[in-house]
This record gives sequence, structure tokens and C-alpha cells, in this order.
Amino acid sequence: GNSVTQMEGPVTLSEEAFLTINCTYTATGYPSLFWYVQYPGEGLQLLLKATKADDKGSNKGFEATYRKETTSFHLEKGSVQVSDSAVYFCALRSSGGGADGLTFGKGTHLIIQP
Amino acid sequence: GAVVSQHPSRVICKSGTSVKIECRSLDFQATTMFWYRQFPKQSLMLMATSNEGSKATYEQGVEKDKFLINHASLTLSTLTVTSAHPEDSSFYICSAIHDPNTQYFGPGTRLTVL
Repeated sequence: GNSVTQMEGPVTLSEEAFLTINCTYTATGYPSLFWYVQYPGEGLQLLLKATKADDKGSNKGFEATYRKETTSFHLEKGSVQVSDSAVYFCALRSSGGGADGLTFGKGTHLIIQP
Repeated sequence: GAVVSQHPSRVICKSGTSVKIECRSLDFQATTMFWYRQFPKQSLMLMATSNEGSKATYEQGVEKDKFLINHASLTLSTLTVTSAHPEDSSFYICSAIHDPNTQYFGPGTRLTVL
């Protein structure tokens, strides 16, 4: 079956540091890949997505590239801010179509210190 | 746009009682909604797919008679936890599909069964 593995947290960085959160997946076919973010006390929000190999999703300075050869979708940001502190979830949806549920990683708690 | 709400945000009930959780798409119609469950420091696990006007599709291992799902309109899905027990205590999150590729999540409902 499908699975998503992402680095365990918490990850603690100083403001303006470079961020990488690793995510690898196991799936059949050509899944769509997502990063969701959950700020304290709020629901999950879509951060970015990629639907096919070599696609790059980007939003709010975050980027992730769909790498089929390494089955990865690592999240990066060049200069993090305190406001980026949140829990980040990597997820996939199988290639069966839009009406499928998502398979999530366990989430990575990111803490940015001023 | 694409806002999903849940009610209640938290509920405490006695063992053996039933609890209903509502999930609403506020500014769009959703023929498909999903229910997830999240344990502390764990990933979100898909419980079931809720389809407007038809029976829900449950994931393997999820008891359909215990977790009743009703998707009676294009903006409302309900999850009823019947004869709740302490092991049902969890964080329940719903999502709705808005465009062909994206799920929008509600803020979640914290259920505590005493």
C-alpha cells in the first residue's frame, strides 16, 4: 500500500536559516504529492502540491520538487521566519483520481527561534 | 474561499453515549468529503470517504457500524461515534474536495470519552 515517511521532529532552527524537511514515499503508479501546514490551534492548510514527476510546487517561499527517481518530495525554504513555526505534513494521493483520500506522513514540528 | 468548518471543536462524553460531529463546506459544494483520525504525535489516518447521496466507503479496519457517516447534502457530512468508549478518544478531522486535485481541511474536533 501507500506510505509516506518524513523526518521526525522537532526541528529547531534560527531565523533566516535554510530549511529542508525530507519526505519520501511508496506508491504504485503516479501519485500526486502535497505539503500541508498546521499552525498552532488551526486546521491543515495546503502549502504546495505537485501532480507529476519533475513538477515543482512553490508557495510563500517554500518549494518542493517531485522526484520520481528517488521517490522524494523534500520541502525547502531559503530563509525561515519565526512565523513559519508549525507542523508540516507530507502527503500523497494515489493516481486513481481526485476523489481519493490522502496518505499522510507523521508530521514534522518546526520551531524557528528569533 | 474553500473554507471547511467542524462542529463542535471539542466534546467530552460519557462511555456508552453517541456523539455527532458535523463537517460543513461553507463557500462551495462538495460531493466528496473525507474523515480522518489523528492520534497524539501520529499521522492522520483516513477513516472513510463520504459521498453525497450514497453510502460511505470505509477503510480497512474501520467499523462502519461504530462510525456512522451521513452525507445528506452537498455542504454537510456528519460522523456519529456510536456507543463511544475511551479508546475512541481522538482528534477527528474532515476534509472536502473543492477543485479536482485539492482537499481543504476542517479545524478538527477533539473527542474525549470518559
